[in-house]
Amino acid sequence: DQQVKQNSPSLSVQEGRISILNCDYTNSMFDYFLWYKKYPAEGPTFLISISSIKDKNEDGRFTVFLNKSAKHLSLHIVPSQPGDSAVYFCAAQGGSEKLVFGKGTKLTVNP
Amino acid sequence: KAGVTQTPRYLIKTRGQQVTLSCSPISGHRSVSWYQQTPGQGLQFLFEYFSETQRNKGNFPGRFSGRQFSNSRSEMNVSTLELGDSALYLCASSLDGTPRSTEAFFGQGTRLTVV
Repeated sequence: DQQVKQNSPSLSVQEGRISILNCDYTNSMFDYFLWYKKYPAEGPTFLISISSIKDKNEDGRFTVFLNKSAKHLSLHIVPSQPGDSAVYFCAAQGGSEKLVFGKGTKLTVNP
Repeated sequence: KAGVTQTPRYLIKTRGQQVTLSCSPISGHRSVSWYQQTPGQGLQFLFEYFSETQRNKGNFPGRFSGRQFSNSRSEMNVSTLELGDSALYLCASSLDGTPRSTEAFFGQGTRLTVV
């Protein structure tokens, strides 16, 4: 039973355009959500997070939107840069339970 | 400040053998979590240790075990290796295991290949 789903295994965008990565979850107990970025041969690095009491959190070029009623969150990267090319993981947590990760979306930003 | 260190980086083992992986968290961090990453499966949670106690456990068979020492360093052991255990094993450390207080920092992982 996959509680955190990233339905797009890959996404390709042009440099300068917006990248939108999507994530859906099924567990209504999740109340904290995170995005991690992973380059090959490296561990994931934290990007941005959002608590369920908010519907938007922004950090530079990265914005995460949370739609609790739809159990959906998205990561927007504007403008996209070639260095953003990586695998992006969505993760969720409820209470003191473990982080649950999605399967990841591979983003390719073309120059 | 040193990051999360995982050793070894690469490992090749034969089916039926056992393996021990090591993770040294960031100084001062007391929570260590282990994840398995395989193509198409994302990061699957193995277990979390906090102050030498296993606090959370994922849905992996008993062949997968771990422990944490008083200095917060953690080891993960896999016995009777199977081909399907080939994966990247990632360790993450955080102050107290609660992402809302601080994000988890990941090591570079140990790439295990079972032949």
